[in-house]
Amino acid sequence: QVQLVESGGGVVQPGGSLRLSCAASGFTFSNYGMYWVRQAPGKGLEWVAFILFDGSNKYYADSVKGRFTISRDNSKNTLYLQMNSLRVEDTAVYYCAKDRWNFDCWGQGTLVTVSS
Amino acid sequence: DVVMTQSPLSLPVTLGQPASISCRSSQSLVHSDGNTYLNWFQQRPGQSPRRLIYKVSNRDSGVPDRFSGSGSGTDFTLEISRVEAEDVGVYYCMQLTYWPPSFGQGTRLEIK
Repeated sequence: QVQLVESGGGVVQPGGSLRLSCAASGFTFSNYGMYWVRQAPGKGLEWVAFILFDGSNKYYADSVKGRFTISRDNSKNTLYLQMNSLRVEDTAVYYCAKDRWNFDCWGQGTLVTVSS
Repeated sequence: DVVMTQSPLSLPVTLGQPASISCRSSQSLVHSDGNTYLNWFQQRPGQSPRRLIYKVSNRDSGVPDRFSGSGSGTDFTLEISRVEAEDVGVYYCMQLTYWPPSFGQGTRLEIK
C-alpha cells in the first residue's frame, strides 16, 4: 500500500541544521509532486515546501525561504528537506504528503525541536 | 493568498447526533479546468492528518458513509450524520485551486 515514512527529526540549537527524509513506497514516486507540511505544537497545518515530480521546480513558504531546501532522489524514492539557520519558531512535527492536487497520503511525521 | 475560514472552531456533539462544519474561502475555488479543489482532512489525537473528502464531495476509500461533503464556489460543508466516538479529533479544510495551498484553522470535535 501507499506509504510515506519520515525520519531525521530531533533536538537542535537555534542556528543549527537538520536534514529530514521521507521514504516513499507503494506508488511510482517519480510521477508525483511532493510536499512538506508542518504543525507546531497545538497549532494548525502549514505548507512549507513543494517539489515537482522531476525536481525541476521548487516552491517555499515565505517563512522558510532562503533557509530550507527541498530535494528528491527518484532512484531512491526519497524526499528530503534540508533545514538551515533553524529558529525556535520552526519547532514542529514535519510531514511529507503526496501529490500536487490531492494530498492523498501523509507520513506519520517527525518532530523537530529547536531549543537552546 | 486564499484565506480559508472554518466555523465553529470547537464542536461538542452528543454521540449519535449529527455534526456540521463550515469552511469559507476568500475567493471562489473553481479552477479553470472546471474542478473545485477543496479537501477535508481528519486528524485524530496523536495521529497524522487523513484525507476524508476530495474535490468537495468525493469520499476517500475506507471513509464511512456517515461523512459527506458539499458546497460550491466559496462555501463548503462537512457533515457527519451520526457522530461516533472514533470521530473525535480536529477537522481541516484545504484548498488546492490556487497557489500556495492553504488550510483552515481546524475545528475540534469532541463528545459532549
